[in-house]
This record gives sequence, structure tokens and C-alpha cells, in this order.
Amino acid sequence: KAGVTQTPRYLIKTRGQQVTLSCSPISGHRSVSWYQQTPGQGLQFLFEYFSETQRNKGNFPGRFSGRQFSNSRSEMNVSTLELGDSALYLCASSFGLAASYNEQFFGPGTRLTVL
Amino acid sequence: AQRVTQPEKLLSVFKGAPVELKCNYSYSGSPELFWYVQYSRQRLQLLLRHISRESIKGFTADLNKGETSFHLKKPFAQEEDSAMYYCALSGNAGGTSYGKLTFGQGTILTVHP
Repeated sequence: KAGVTQTPRYLIKTRGQQVTLSCSPISGHRSVSWYQQTPGQGLQFLFEYFSETQRNKGNFPGRFSGRQFSNSRSEMNVSTLELGDSALYLCASSFGLAASYNEQFFGPGTRLTVL
Repeated sequence: AQRVTQPEKLLSVFKGAPVELKCNYSYSGSPELFWYVQYSRQRLQLLLRHISRESIKGFTADLNKGETSFHLKKPFAQEEDSAMYYCALSGNAGGTSYGKLTFGQGTILTVHP
């Protein structure tokens, strides 16, 4: 079974630009969660999508948004990029709503650098 | 609000020694606790979850609700255990578990030969 894939793997943008990251979950998985990882803040939850609906949201500004398509693929978008948005963005998928009985499988991440 | 604290950023032990990675949490409801591990140049992966009460790669973790802790233990550390370990919590309200995982800051475990 192919794992979670994320594209692109690396991205360099400048302040003020916007960016779209993509995540393809494991086949059959319907839940996709997004996390931001930085050295200072660690791993922080952004949002979770299940069946094209956002089910959970973390404490991030409205510049961070996402969506999920009917094939469960998900995208997250960050508008008006700031230097502090530089981070590794991780995507995780699970069969059902992520819970103790639905293990989350993580992708390799997209490394975003904002200059 | 839910919070996970891993007090040790770095932990070094020698091969064959016991190891304990500490995790304390704060959550008003019924928490679900996990340990995730990230080996060098690999993806973050689930190591174990409290609900399964299982031992994985010799590691165990017991949820202590009185002390709000979920420490990870292994009696005899191996060099291949060297990795970053994250404790994580997921909320549970009214029987419904939520996908939001709150992670601790992580502990880098180094096992010396």
C-alpha cells in the first residue's frame, strides 16, 4: 500500500505570496489532518478534513485554509505569507476520523521557506 | 485546553540500560494518549497508544490519570531506539474522539554503545 504523499517536498516563497500544498492520503483513507512543525513551537495541529468537511481546526489565523476533494486528496493554502510561516508542513491520513482506533499515517512533509 | 509536556529535550543512556521518557498532560475530559517516534530520515510513526495496552519494540506506557502522566519505558535500551519521541494527546468528549493531536515538544533519545 503506498504511503501518504505530499507535494511539493520543498518550496521557497517570498513574503506576501501565497502557497498551496497538496496531500494524497493512503488509498481508502477518508480523513486528512495537517500539522505545522517548527523548532520553536513543535508540532501544531492545523485542521482535519473528513469526507470533504472540516471537522477540527487548530488555533491558526484565517490565512491558513484547506479543503478536501471527493477522492480524499487534500490541499492547504497559506495566503499573504509571513517569515514565521517557514516550517515543515505534515499531512496525516486515517481510515476514519482520527482517533485511538484509527491510526494516523504521516507523510514526509513539505518544507516551506519564506524569504 | 489540552497540553502535553515532555520535560526532557535530550536523554542519553547506554545500551542495555533502562530508559524512561516522561510525558505529562493536561486535559479536562477523557484523554487518549499516544507515543509517536521519528527515526533519522524517516517519517513520524505511531509507536503505541494507551488504549491498546500493548508493548511495541519492548516499549510500554501506562496511563496514570491520578498523576496525569503517560511515561514511556523500556527495560533494556538498544542502539536502534535512538530517535525523537513525541507524546501526543487526543481529546474525547461524549464518546467521540477527535482527530486533533496535541503533541509535546519531543525528546531526543540517544542510546550509546
